[in-house]
Amino acid sequence: KAGVTQTPRYLIKTRGQQVTLSCSPISGHRSVSWYQQTPGQGLQFLFEYFSETQRNKGNFPGRFSGRQFSNSRSEMNVSTLELGDSALYLCASSTWDSYGYTFGSGTRLTVV
Amino acid sequence: EDKVVQSPLSLVVHEGDTVTLNCSYEVTNFRSLLWYKQEKKAPTFLFMLTSSGIEKKSGRLSSILDKKELSSILNITATQTGDSAIYLCAVHSGSARQLTFGSGTQLTVLP
Repeated sequence: KAGVTQTPRYLIKTRGQQVTLSCSPISGHRSVSWYQQTPGQGLQFLFEYFSETQRNKGNFPGRFSGRQFSNSRSEMNVSTLELGDSALYLCASSTWDSYGYTFGSGTRLTVV
Repeated sequence: EDKVVQSPLSLVVHEGDTVTLNCSYEVTNFRSLLWYKQEKKAPTFLFMLTSSGIEKKSGRLSSILDKKELSSILNITATQTGDSAIYLCAVHSGSARQLTFGSGTQLTVLP
């Protein structure tokens, strides 16, 4: 079956701009989580969505937001980009009763 | 605040060697510990260990959870160059579903 699909794979944005990243989970997976990966901080939890509702949120500023659609696809948005937002953004999907998350290949965001 | 620490940060071995990667955690209300392998971008799931299942094995890879020491090890025997990757340890704790990750161990296997 198809894996977790993230688009786009690469993005270059300018400080102050905003960006939207997309994640399509594995068919049947209704839970979608987002993580930010940087060399200094490692993988850090952003938020999780299930049934179109945000269930958990990590310790990130309000500039980071997300949503989930009825088909379980999820988007995350970062507004007023800062240089420190440059990172690999990973999406992971699972069923609600499982913690064996399947990760996508990520979106590499570079802010210049 | 939950904390997961992995050691060593990096490791270089030769094909055929056996390696042991370490993960220790300080979390509230531990539920499970997961190991992932990250080669390029997408971490791939290796094992999940819970209080009811403290040892897992798959081929040359095996993992043990030490509930008393609040730690886990990942063993890889007869290493191959294809084992070169970052190995990530993550812990699920409390009622929230988020994972807390360690910083990872970069394993390099030389031919």
